[in-house]
Amino acid sequence: GQNIDQPTEMTATEGAIVQINCTYQTSGFNGLFWYQQHAGEAPTFLSYNVLDGLEEKGRFSSFLSRSKGYSYLLLKELQMKDSASYLCAVKDSNYQLIWGAGTKLIIKP
Amino acid sequence: NAGVTQTPKFRVLKTGQSMTLLCAQDMNHEYMYWYRQDPGMGLRLIHYSVGEGTTAKGEVPDGYNVSRLKKQNFLLGLESAAPSQTSVYFCASSHIGGDTGELFFGEGSRLTVL
Repeated sequence: GQNIDQPTEMTATEGAIVQINCTYQTSGFNGLFWYQQHAGEAPTFLSYNVLDGLEEKGRFSSFLSRSKGYSYLLLKELQMKDSASYLCAVKDSNYQLIWGAGTKLIIKP
Repeated sequence: NAGVTQTPKFRVLKTGQSMTLLCAQDMNHEYMYWYRQDPGMGLRLIHYSVGEGTTAKGEVPDGYNVSRLKKQNFLLGLESAAPSQTSVYFCASSHIGGDTGELFFGEGSRLTVL
């Protein structure tokens, strides 16, 4: 079967750095997405990786290793507004998105 | 631009009642999707459409029907609601030729079936 694994919950301190990991086992691979979802709101797009390596976008970076079936989202200079759930999703060989259950990130002052 | 708009935002149904969720997008996207989101689980695809007049089943289609008579609208119907259909429903759309194929989501519709 297809599977996306992420930690259920993480806690970090304002101003610090946090890394959210995602491992996947899917039938084929056509890209990996990270979305942010604040409580009670819609998911919003953060990043997309299709080739190995690091993609940087401001305070957020996303890394992909296709051979290891592994990605991480790195958040720097954490702000209180970063408190949210972070969803990892993989596009499989049929171009269907397989979603992880999400990682709830709690930021403490 | 409004983006993706879902109506209604909240609804309470009794078991056996029917209802329709409406999704409208103004981005001229070809693809549209209906997902449900339940605690502790990833988003699960109910049905999707790759163009006007076409629909296809996703991962959890049972108990739901959809229609896409116009490119901008995607309707999700529950013919006989069951408590297991209590969930938050998200509509999303995407462009066929986009760089990433990222999904744009509506604000969600919270449905409770008693």
